[in-house]
Amino acid sequence: DAGITQSPRYKITETGRQVTLMCHQTWSHSYMFWYRQDLGHGLRLIYYSAAADITDKGEVPDGYVVSRSKTENFPLTLESATRSQTSVYFCASSEGLYNEQFFGPGTRLTVL
Amino acid sequence: EDQVTQSPEALRLQEGESSSLNCSYTVSGLRGLFWYRQDPGKGPEFLFTLYSAGEEKEKERLKATLTKKESFLHITAPKPEDSATYLCAVHSHTGGFKTIFGAGTRLFVKA
Repeated sequence: DAGITQSPRYKITETGRQVTLMCHQTWSHSYMFWYRQDLGHGLRLIYYSAAADITDKGEVPDGYVVSRSKTENFPLTLESATRSQTSVYFCASSEGLYNEQFFGPGTRLTVL
Repeated sequence: EDQVTQSPEALRLQEGESSSLNCSYTVSGLRGLFWYRQDPGKGPEFLFTLYSAGEEKEKERLKATLTKKESFLHITAPKPEDSATYLCAVHSHTGGFKTIFGAGTRLFVKA
């Protein structure tokens, strides 16, 4: 089925480890986004991408790295995880930068 | 500073009791205001986009309106299945692309 998927859905890791969260969409949307959602905060944009090999920082990019070699995939890497990166991470896609976004089911990440 | 504030934080309604959720925003270069619904453990689901003051959108029991400072999500005769968190977000372009989400309103509808 067409849509946007994220993997893993749940992840527990330790401080200092590298973690990669995967995002895959089948709509051929140009734009893809990564957000984190924490209690007491709205969703906060980490990075976004306009096309393959084009990425840009959002509001909270520190400690995260993204890549987009293929239009349908947009992985998010935490190079050295910290406890403050414990959160629920959502990937989203849209046809245009200012269009509505379609979200994946989320990845709940716990950093011990 | 760009800001989106949603109120109330939580709202408890009886089935059939209509009400409104508020989203106040302070942003320059507005490029759209969005309403999403989020169920527990799931990603946000798109409901409406509003682009200019005076615009209204309607879908089933929900109606979204927009002024220059705020948006309302009106819920008419809600049902228990309308229980969810409703998120408001704005897109702006001043100083580069920004998307700002409010913290949401948790709606509980009791049968």
